[in-house]
Amino acid sequence: DTEVTQTPKHLVMGMTNKKSLKCEQHMGHRAMYWYKQKAKKPPELMFVYSYEKLSINESVPSRFSPECPNSSLLNLHLHALQPEDSALYLCASSQPSGGLAGAPGADTQYFGPGTRLTVL
Amino acid sequence: GQSLEQPSEVTAVEGAIVQINCTYQTSGFYGLSWYQQHDGGAPTFLSYNALDGLEETGRFSSFLSRSDSYGYLLLQELQMKDSASYFCAVRSGPYKLSFGAGTTVTVRA
Repeated sequence: DTEVTQTPKHLVMGMTNKKSLKCEQHMGHRAMYWYKQKAKKPPELMFVYSYEKLSINESVPSRFSPECPNSSLLNLHLHALQPEDSALYLCASSQPSGGLAGAPGADTQYFGPGTRLTVL
Repeated sequence: GQSLEQPSEVTAVEGAIVQINCTYQTSGFYGLSWYQQHDGGAPTFLSYNALDGLEETGRFSSFLSRSDSYGYLLLQELQMKDSASYFCAVRSGPYKLSFGAGTTVTVRA
C-alpha cells in the first residue's frame, strides 16, 4: 500500500471557524509532512514530524496547529484563518533519512491528494 | 537559504525528447529529486540523484553534477499524458525539501 489519504477533499470555512485536516499512511513511514500549495506555485513546507515528534516548523502562524497522534496519523488544526490561507494543503510521508547524503529517504516523499481549503 | 531555477514552460510534440534543467544554490546538499504534478493532482516522485551521473527510470532520466550545482530531467518518447508540471527539489537537511518554481510541459499531437 503506497497510498497517503487525506480528508476532507474540500473544505470551506469562515474566519472564525475551527476545523481539522486529517492525513493517514500505512507504509510504515516515520516522517510526515504538511505542505501548502498555491495555484501555479510549488509546494511550501510547513511542518515535519519525525518519529511522532515535531522536527521542523517553518515559522508557520499559530493559527495552524499540527498534531501527530501516532506513526500513521497526522492532523492539522485550523483556527481563525485568513482568506490568504486558501490553498491546497498536502500531506506527505517518507522514510526518515538519518541525515545521510545518498540515503534517499526524505527525497522520496509520497503525497496525498490534498485538501482544497477556501477561507471566506 | 535555497534557490532553484528551472524554465517556466516547455512545449514539444509527441515522441520528442525534452530536457528540463535545474540549477540550485543551497547551504547544504543531500540530493536532487524530481516530482511530477498533473493539474488538480498531487506531486508524485519521479527520480533522485545524490551522486554525480545519470539515473534512468524507463522513459525518464535524471542527471546531476554537484560541482556545477546543476541537474536535469530528460523525458523521452513524449506522450500526451506527460503534460504536467515538473518540479526539481533539493534536500538541504534530513527532511527539508525545497522545490523549484516548476516547469509546465505541454505535449502537442
